[in-house]
Amino acid sequence: GQQVMQIPQYQHVQEGEDFTTYCNSSTTLSNIQWYKQRPGGHPVFLIQLVKSGEVKKQKRLTFQFGEAKKNSSLHITATQTTDVGTYFCAGPPLPGGYNKLIFGAGTRLAVHP
Amino acid sequence: DGGITQSPKYLFRKEGQNVTLSCEQNLNHDAMYWYRQDPGQGLRLIYYSQIVNDFQKGDIAEGYSVSREKKESFPLTVTSAQKNPTAFYLCASSMGPNTEAFFGQGTRLTVV
Repeated sequence: GQQVMQIPQYQHVQEGEDFTTYCNSSTTLSNIQWYKQRPGGHPVFLIQLVKSGEVKKQKRLTFQFGEAKKNSSLHITATQTTDVGTYFCAGPPLPGGYNKLIFGAGTRLAVHP
Repeated sequence: DGGITQSPKYLFRKEGQNVTLSCEQNLNHDAMYWYRQDPGQGLRLIYYSQIVNDFQKGDIAEGYSVSREKKESFPLTVTSAQKNPTAFYLCASSMGPNTEAFFGQGTRLTVV
């Protein structure tokens, strides 16, 4: 079956440093979604990328979708303590993955002040 | 107030008992999902449903059952056949294909 892998599993940064997490799927995705889960909370949607090679920005966060639609990345510039949490990528696989949203294992980010 | 509600937040059960987790949404979403999350782990798909009266197994469906008799509701039963049921269970819904999923607050199930 489809697998979605994320690296790294865990990252420690000092406040102000940059952070990047990478997502790789074993199959082509129709789109890629990113979610953030704060400690003790539930995942909250951040963004969706649909087009091959697409890049989107949300303030200090930059999201990219690979040309082959099998990989993606999330980059945070100048991390803050509010960025702490686990970041998940997710996507419905092609073909036939209609509404089957598969999540990666997530990257847990710790930010030290 | 629109949203997706899971109840209860915490649930304790004895080994060998079946238990049903509730998930209700008033977002008028067609698709609903159940995920399992273990400490420090990602989300693993248990079951998903695209429309009423239809559902499909996810990656770890063994020991679980679901029903989708109403659009708003997608209860999950954890049966005694599930070998390691203690986990955090998350329900989600979405409008349809390729749209964001909204999650409930989750139910933390402990089986003793």
